[in-house]
Amino acid sequence: GQQLNQSPQSMFIQEGEDVSMNCTFSSIFNTWLWYKQDPGEGPVLLIALYKAGELTSNGRLTAQFGITRKDSFLNISASIPSDVGIYFCAGQTDSNYQLIWGAGTKLIIKP
Amino acid sequence: DAMVIQNPRYQVTQFGKPVTLSCSQTLNHNVMYWYQQKSSQAPKLLFHYYDKDFNNEADTPDNFQSRRPNTSFCFLDIRSPGLGDAAMYLCATSRLQGVDTQYFGPGTRLTVL
Repeated sequence: GQQLNQSPQSMFIQEGEDVSMNCTFSSIFNTWLWYKQDPGEGPVLLIALYKAGELTSNGRLTAQFGITRKDSFLNISASIPSDVGIYFCAGQTDSNYQLIWGAGTKLIIKP
Repeated sequence: DAMVIQNPRYQVTQFGKPVTLSCSQTLNHNVMYWYQQKSSQAPKLLFHYYDKDFNNEADTPDNFQSRRPNTSFCFLDIRSPGLGDAAMYLCATSRLQGVDTQYFGPGTRLTVL
């Protein structure tokens, strides 16, 4: 079956540090999406990627659609306390509308 | 401005007592989705509507039903909630049914006593 692996599972970082997380899929995606979810809230779309090789920024966030269409990364520069939360990658194949979700990366900022 | 609105944000029901969760959208999107999300897990798709066409996921229990009376509104009915149905329920919309970005509401946290 198709597998979407997201890593790391959790990250403990100091405020001001840069953060990197990535996702790898066993097949190819036509779309990669990155969401952030705060406790008790719905996922909020951060960045949507539609083309292989695409590199997109949203403020301090940067994400790339891997050239093989099987992977994507999300970078956060100069982390701040409000960056804490769970980050999910998700993707869509060309044969199915369903979002395939990663397991999430929990970002925790050390006091 | 809220685009996908869910009410209520918190719902408490009793074991076996029917409950309805609601979702509305101001995006005029064709597709509306209902997801169930349990703690620390990714959302799980229950079903979706493309316009008036209902699409149920194969592993969605019969206990879960949905209604979409018009483009803007969609309801999730849980006929006989069990303790295992306690979860966050998320509504999402997209313009297209195929490959398209989904936008989520804030969710309704359901507690079953």
